[in-house]
Amino acid sequence: DTGVSQDPRHKITKRGQNVTFRCDPISEHNRLYWYRQTLGQGPEFLTYFQNEAQLEKSRLLSDRFSAERPKGSFSTLEIQRTEQGDSAMYLCASSSRLEGDEQFFGPGTRLTVL
Amino acid sequence: GNSVTQMEGPVTLSEEAFLTINCTYTATGYPSLFWYVQYPGEGLQLLLKATKADDKGSNKGFEATYRKETTSFHLEKGSVQVSDSAVYFCALRVVTGGGNKLTFGTGTQLKVEL
Repeated sequence: DTGVSQDPRHKITKRGQNVTFRCDPISEHNRLYWYRQTLGQGPEFLTYFQNEAQLEKSRLLSDRFSAERPKGSFSTLEIQRTEQGDSAMYLCASSSRLEGDEQFFGPGTRLTVL
Repeated sequence: GNSVTQMEGPVTLSEEAFLTINCTYTATGYPSLFWYVQYPGEGLQLLLKATKADDKGSNKGFEATYRKETTSFHLEKGSVQVSDSAVYFCALRVVTGGGNKLTFGTGTQLKVEL
């Protein structure tokens, strides 16, 4: 297993554009999480999936943000009408209840909104 | 709500020095506690964990003891190496009906010099 992967690793976009990030969790992990990390801060929880069901969303996740996990495997995070304040590292993690729910993190997608 | 407070960095030490990074928490439930490490250019990695009071987590020479009476989980290492230079995050997890999201501190950067 190669671990959690995220694509792209870096994204530069202009304000007002839409962006989409992808996360591929560790196979067999049924739980998937998205976090956001800004410079000098710790990661902040955005949303959580168990299989294909989105079970929890943070208040940080405004209406411009949407996440999906259509088949219970990979997940996408879309940001519409990006703002400069969306610039951050977006982290994905996955876990399995059978493995004590330890969260394994991907390398992140760094978003820069100009 | 849940929160984690950890000492501000950067912490600069000479090789073989003793390390302590303080971490305290507030939680509405009975949390599990974690230390994650982020090496330059890499993703978050779990360093150690403790799931109940008085448990000691340990890994790679690092230790932390879950102290319920002082709501603390301080990270220690007896002799640091240059290769330990990284950002260290303290985190907690309280199991809820929706999931197992992590709440992180702001991170403490450690620099170890020869």
